[in-house]
Amino acid sequence: AQTVTQSQPEMSVQEAETVTLSCTYDTSESNYYLFWYKQPPSRQMILVIRQEAYKQQNATENRFSVNFQKAAKSFSLKISDSQLGDTAMYFCAFYPRRGQKLVFGQGTRLTINP
Amino acid sequence: GAVVSQHPSWVICKSGTSVKIECRSLDFQATTMFWYRQFPKQSLMLMATSNEGSKATYEQGVEKDKFLINHASLTLSTLTVTSAHPEDSSFYICRAMPGLAGGGGSYNEQFFGPGTRLTVL
Repeated sequence: AQTVTQSQPEMSVQEAETVTLSCTYDTSESNYYLFWYKQPPSRQMILVIRQEAYKQQNATENRFSVNFQKAAKSFSLKISDSQLGDTAMYFCAFYPRRGQKLVFGQGTRLTINP
Repeated sequence: GAVVSQHPSWVICKSGTSVKIECRSLDFQATTMFWYRQFPKQSLMLMATSNEGSKATYEQGVEKDKFLINHASLTLSTLTVTSAHPEDSSFYICRAMPGLAGGGGSYNEQFFGPGTRLTVL
């Protein structure tokens, strides 16, 4: 069974700083998807970024980028120029294929301080 | 992007009553819907997977008779918490997956509802 591990329960940085959230996973699949979700106080799950395992290039979405290391089964999220609105819970998620379960990590509570 | 709604967004009920939560895909057909439960400061826990027109598949440890799931149409799935107790108080989130021919984006898309906060007194 696939597992996802987020080893940082909480993180706190100052506004405008760069922060990296870590995520590791375990799978025997060769092709899959990885996601980072943001859950603000409203608790709506918001997709931040996604990575397809067969793509070697790391995904980037504006201030958000990932460091995908397939051999190491690592998928970290980097937030550049952090903003107060980035304060939220962040979940790393693994998705093997269509219709399968989306496996979540434990989450990292990120606080951006003014 | 595709939109998923949940109703109600917040419900308070007395212990022993039943509560129904609806999950609707508003602009696409969802052949599969997933129901999650989330306790404060914890991750999402998958409760069950429902496919339109068939019985739901429950995760280990989830009581089928307590959490009734119905997926009668391609746009609606319901979760009924029967004989609710205070320990059932939680945040319930649905996730809808579009059918291959149902529109709503590529097959790896994940569409979450906004969630329903259930408080059982």
